[in-house]
Amino acid sequence: EPEVTQTPSHQVTQMGQEVILRCVPISNHLYFYWYRQILGQKVEFLVSFYNNEISEKSEIFDDQFSVERPDGSNFTLKIRSTKLEDSAMYFCASRRGYQPQHFGDGTRLSIL
Amino acid sequence: SQQGEEDPQALSIQEGENATMNCSYKTSINNLQWYRQNSGRGLVHLILIRSNEREKHSGRLRVTLDTSKKSSSLLITASRAADTASYFCATRGSQGAQKLVFGQGTRLTINP
Repeated sequence: EPEVTQTPSHQVTQMGQEVILRCVPISNHLYFYWYRQILGQKVEFLVSFYNNEISEKSEIFDDQFSVERPDGSNFTLKIRSTKLEDSAMYFCASRRGYQPQHFGDGTRLSIL
Repeated sequence: SQQGEEDPQALSIQEGENATMNCSYKTSINNLQWYRQNSGRGLVHLILIRSNEREKHSGRLRVTLDTSKKSSSLLITASRAADTASYFCATRGSQGAQKLVFGQGTRLTINP
């Protein structure tokens, strides 16, 4: 069964550095999402992306964050000038039409 | 904003018993979904129930939805050790929003 794949599985970065989290959505999906889960807390929506533009974003998704679909397969989340509180699991999801969202296994981001 | 909240936060039962988890939310929804998360893994979609449905079955899963009470329940029958995981409800709003709003989750432990 097709899967959403995310790389790297674990990213350790110094505070203030930029990170790029990568996702390969399922190939025929058209809607893409990023969520994050701080340890012990809820999964929180960050942003949705459709037709090469952001369709919805949360209050968390401020100017520090950006998303991009640089080619036909990858979907990236960039976090500029990382802060300690950005430490979390980041999940990518994709869906097709009215189907449920399929999630990747996440990238654990640790900010030191 | 809408918000799914599950109870109990943790549930420990013996293998073979039934497990029931509840979820409440605050605003009108298009649908409600249940996801499972094994430790360190991504979210796996289990079942979706639309706002005009009251009950849905899938294998050993039974989901109910009461829109008047803004609540849902997930019943897992004849539990197995492999069902040990965290279970989250997630709501999708009725105003065209694509994002899912997740609850805090129920940590289910099945004891052999």
